[in-house]
Amino acid sequence: AQSVSQHNHHVILSEAASLELGCNYSYGGTVNLFWYVQYPGQHLQLLLKYFSGDPLVKGIKGFEAEFIKSKFSFNLRKPSVQWSDTAEYFCAVNTYNNNDMRFGAGTRLTVKP
Amino acid sequence: DADVTQTPRNRITKTGKRIMLECSQTKGHDRMYWYRQDPGLGLRLIYYSFDVKDINKGEISDGYSVSRQAQAKFSLSLESAIPNQTALYFCATSDFEETQYFGPGTRLLVL
Repeated sequence: AQSVSQHNHHVILSEAASLELGCNYSYGGTVNLFWYVQYPGQHLQLLLKYFSGDPLVKGIKGFEAEFIKSKFSFNLRKPSVQWSDTAEYFCAVNTYNNNDMRFGAGTRLTVKP
Repeated sequence: DADVTQTPRNRITKTGKRIMLECSQTKGHDRMYWYRQDPGLGLRLIYYSFDVKDINKGEISDGYSVSRQAQAKFSLSLESAIPNQTALYFCATSDFEETQYFGPGTRLLVL
């Protein structure tokens, strides 16, 4: 079964700093890739997703992610974070025709005002 | 109104008790899921269902059972609760593009 690794458990940034959160998965076949965000006290919501096509995907609130197939990675980026981006971020993978969705352990982002 | 609702939102129970967590959705999706969230472990899939007659085990189904009473309803049961089932439980639905829509969660404490 596939697995998902998020190497950063807790990231602390100042406002306007650039963000990159790492996500690697282990599966050799075709995958669908997702980033979800969980703001404090709220449920998870989709930030962006990749199924096929342009490997650079743009999501809501200025986030983007790049799928690098050779590195089995789908890193999340934002050029300039805001205090309101403080949240927990989850990378998720499911494989084509297999709906066993796997989530990473999550990365907690704290943005200092 | 919320698209995915869960009841109860919080529950405290004792070891050995049977409890049921309920999930309802108004999105019209066929696919529904139950996850648990534990600190440092992210979300892990317990069960999923693609339609009323289809139930599948996820990554960590032991100690849990589910019932898909209708397209809109998917219940999770703990037949005999144990303390390590203390967690935050999420229900989700998904569309044909696999985007998942999550409920607000049920915080369960097993004493």
